[in-house]
Amino acid sequence: DGGITQSPKYLFRKEGQNVTLSCEQNLNHDAMYWYRQDPGQGLRLIYYSQIVNDFQKGDIAEGYSVSREKKESFPLTVTSAQKNPTAFYLCASSDRGGGGQPQHFGDGTRLSIL
Amino acid sequence: AQSVAQPEDQVNVAEGNPLTVKCTYSVSGNPYLFWYVQYPNRGLQFLLKYITGDNLVKGSYGFEAEFNKSQTSFHLKKPSALVSDSALYFCAVRVLFFGNEKLTFGTGTRLTIIP
Repeated sequence: DGGITQSPKYLFRKEGQNVTLSCEQNLNHDAMYWYRQDPGQGLRLIYYSQIVNDFQKGDIAEGYSVSREKKESFPLTVTSAQKNPTAFYLCASSDRGGGGQPQHFGDGTRLSIL
Repeated sequence: AQSVAQPEDQVNVAEGNPLTVKCTYSVSGNPYLFWYVQYPNRGLQFLLKYITGDNLVKGSYGFEAEFNKSQTSFHLKKPSALVSDSALYFCAVRVLFFGNEKLTFGTGTRLTIIP
C-alpha cells in the first residue's frame, strides 16, 4: 500500500540535543511538508519542498532544518535552538500541478523534552 | 492574508441527528477549500474539497460540505451522525505563494457524538 511513514512514533530530546524525525513516502509525490501541531492551535507549517534539492521556510521555521536529497524522503531536524519543541509533528505529501491536490499525512511523531 | 476560521472549538451532537461543523474563509480570488479529519494520535485524513462547480460537495464517510460564496462559508455536514464520527475536524484553504502551493489550516473543531 502506498503511504507516508513517519518514525519514530515517540521521541525524547535532552537539553542541547538535536534530533531528527524521519518521513518517507512511496506515493511518488513531488511536494512534501512538515507541520507542527499544538493543542488549540491547529497545524502550523514548518518547511515545505516542491521538488528534490529545493525547500522553503514555512511560518515557524526557526529552530528547525530540513533536507530533500531524494524524492521519497524529507527528514526534519529539531535543533537545540528550538526552545519549545514539545509537540506533535506531522509530515505530508501531495502531487504538484495545481488544482488543489489534497495532502496525504503520516501518523506523526510526538516529541517531548526529557 | 488568506485564512480560514472555525468558530467552534467543540460541537456535541446526539447519535442519529444531523451534524454541522462550521468554517468561514477569507480569500482573495476563488478559494480552494478542504476538510480533513483527525483521530487520536493519527495523521489527518482528507474528506473532501471544493475547487469549482456545484456548491454541494460530497466526500468520504457520508460527509458533504456546502460552499456559500455570499457568506464566505464552507460548512461540513452529515445527515445522521455516528459515534465513530467523533474526532477532530480541520478546515483548510489553499494559498499560492510565489508559485508554490500550501495549505493554511483552521484551529480545529472537536466533534463528539453522544450515544
